[in-house]
Amino acid sequence: AQKVTQAQTEISVVEKEDVTLDCVYETRDTTYYLFWYKQPPSGELVFLIRRNSFDEQNEISGRYSWNFQKSTSSFNFTITASQVVDSAVYFCALSAIIQGAQKLVFGQGTRLTINP
Amino acid sequence: DVKVTQSSRYLVKRTGEKVFLECVQDMDHENMFWYRQDPGLGLRLIYFSYDVKMKEKGDIPEGYSVSREKKERFSLILESASTNQTSMYLCASRPRRQGEERESKNIQYFGAGTRLSVL
Repeated sequence: AQKVTQAQTEISVVEKEDVTLDCVYETRDTTYYLFWYKQPPSGELVFLIRRNSFDEQNEISGRYSWNFQKSTSSFNFTITASQVVDSAVYFCALSAIIQGAQKLVFGQGTRLTINP
Repeated sequence: DVKVTQSSRYLVKRTGEKVFLECVQDMDHENMFWYRQDPGLGLRLIYFSYDVKMKEKGDIPEGYSVSREKKERFSLILESASTNQTSMYLCASRPRRQGEERESKNIQYFGAGTRLSVL
């Protein structure tokens, strides 16, 4: 069965610290996609990144970077030089074919608080 | 810009009431989804729809139904609200799957959510 685990329920750091959010997934599919979404206090989930299972290159976008390691089934997210605006709940998700339909399976979410 | 709009940000209803949660998207997407979000459980899929008048059960459909009469609108219905349906409800939409594993169109776009309290 497909499953996504975000073991860190809450993380709190001081501004400008680097922080890594962990994501571990389980799937028997050979082709799949992994996602990260950000949910700020306004409530809307904002898409951050999508990575397919064939591409293990790490990706960097400004202060955000993602480390995909198929060998350990992990897709970790690092924020460098964190800012107060990074405070949000972050969700990792896996696209899976379940009952013939493509669906997203979400982790439990990690609440990140950046303190000034 | 992508836009998914949920009609209410906050709702308070009484046990036994019939509740309608509305979601509208302006991107001409075929697929639409309803999730509920609870602390420690992440997002769980209630129902989804591939196209107009089509619907499929998700992981937790019990106590809910849906309606998709027009492409842009997907309604979630609580026939008789109960206190255990107090939650945050999120709607999402996505373009139709078309060889999507080779395309960049399998991203789901979300609304801002409706926080429902059932008393």
